[in-house]
Amino acid sequence: DTAVSQTPKYLVTQMGNDKSIKCEQNLGHDTMYWYKQDSKKFLKIMFSYNNKELIINETVPNRFSPKSPDKAHLNLHINSLELGDSAVYFCASSHGTGGFEQFFGPGTRLTVL
Amino acid sequence: GNSVTQMEGPVTLSEEAFLTINCTYTATGYPSLFWYVQYPGEGLQLLLKATKADDKGSNKGFEATYRKETTSFHLEKGSVQVSDSAVYFCALSQNTGGFKTIFGAGTRLFVKA
Repeated sequence: DTAVSQTPKYLVTQMGNDKSIKCEQNLGHDTMYWYKQDSKKFLKIMFSYNNKELIINETVPNRFSPKSPDKAHLNLHINSLELGDSAVYFCASSHGTGGFEQFFGPGTRLTVL
Repeated sequence: GNSVTQMEGPVTLSEEAFLTINCTYTATGYPSLFWYVQYPGEGLQLLLKATKADDKGSNKGFEATYRKETTSFHLEKGSVQVSDSAVYFCALSQNTGGFKTIFGAGTRLFVKA
């Protein structure tokens, strides 16, 4: 009965590889997010989808591409991984946009060697 | 634009000590304010929230009051426990201006037995 789940939990890969992180929520929410958390715990919004439509697209490299096949899923694909991409990536969801509580997944720790 | 400033950590306290973590914000209009907590190795989870001026959010012995006159939302707990050791994030969100939730930089709390 996990609310927001992410796979994989850990991802170790070489520079230059392409990888994907998957996220699913079973809360019936219509808005989903990707955040990047660095080693100092600073949390940065990357993308947000509302009803499968992209509504937030921060200034992240275009090597990062989100995909929302339906309201319950939001995946993140990363091309040509770089050392600086190493971080913890969190998926979150909420009921509606702005002003609402967000529910976070457990995170995916990405390490690029 | 909107912003959240919270006190830098780490904060180290002995068990049963009083906790205050300061948070101030800048926003136009009337945002909702939140405190999230992140335990080691986990995603963020909502601790408490307040949606309008003078509202007090409370949960698990933690409290915070929405003070519009001082644009603050300080987190307090009368007697901390070792299990409260975590990173605490102040955040604001409103349904205008891009729907983003703005998170503070996080404050790490260590509680010693």
